[in-house]
Amino acid sequence: GQNIDQPTEMTATEGAIVQINCTYQTSGFNGLFWYQQHAGEAPTFLSYNVLDGLEEKGRFSSFLSRSKGYSYLLLKELQMKDSASYLCACVDSNYQLIWGAGTKLIIKP
Amino acid sequence: DAGITQSPRYKITETGRQVTLMCHQTWSHSYMFWYRQDLGHGLRLIYYSAAADITDKGEVPDGYVVSRSKTENFPLTLESATRSQTSVYFCAGSSSDQGEQYFGPGTRLTVT
Repeated sequence: GQNIDQPTEMTATEGAIVQINCTYQTSGFNGLFWYQQHAGEAPTFLSYNVLDGLEEKGRFSSFLSRSKGYSYLLLKELQMKDSASYLCACVDSNYQLIWGAGTKLIIKP
Repeated sequence: DAGITQSPRYKITETGRQVTLMCHQTWSHSYMFWYRQDLGHGLRLIYYSAAADITDKGEVPDGYVVSRSKTENFPLTLESATRSQTSVYFCAGSSSDQGEQYFGPGTRLTVT
């Protein structure tokens, strides 16, 4: 079956760095997305990886290892507004998105 | 420009009633999607559409019907609502089946 695993909840301190992991098992693989979702709002796009390696975009970076079925989202210089859920999603062989349940990130002052 | 709009934003209905959730886009996305989001689950795809008059089932299509007579509209109908369909429903659009998706604000549906 297809499966995306992420931690349910994480806590970090304002100004610190946090890494949110995502492991996946899908029928085929055509890329991995990270989305951010604030409570009561819609998901918004953060990053897309299809090749191995690190993609950096400001304070956020996303890493992919296709051989290990693993990705992480790295958030630096955490701000209170980063408190949100972070959703990992893989594109399978049918070009459909398979979504993880999301990681709720709590930022403490 | 809101891109993807959904209406209503909140809806309470009774078991057995038919209810339609509207989705409208202004960006001419080819692809449109309907998801439901429940606590403890990832977004689950209900139906999607590659173009006007082309729709296909997703992971959880039972109890739902969609249509897409015009590119900009993609309504989702619950033919006979059940309590298990209480959820938050998101409509999304994309230029491709594997591209970045842009989401509407969601409809929170409660079936009593």
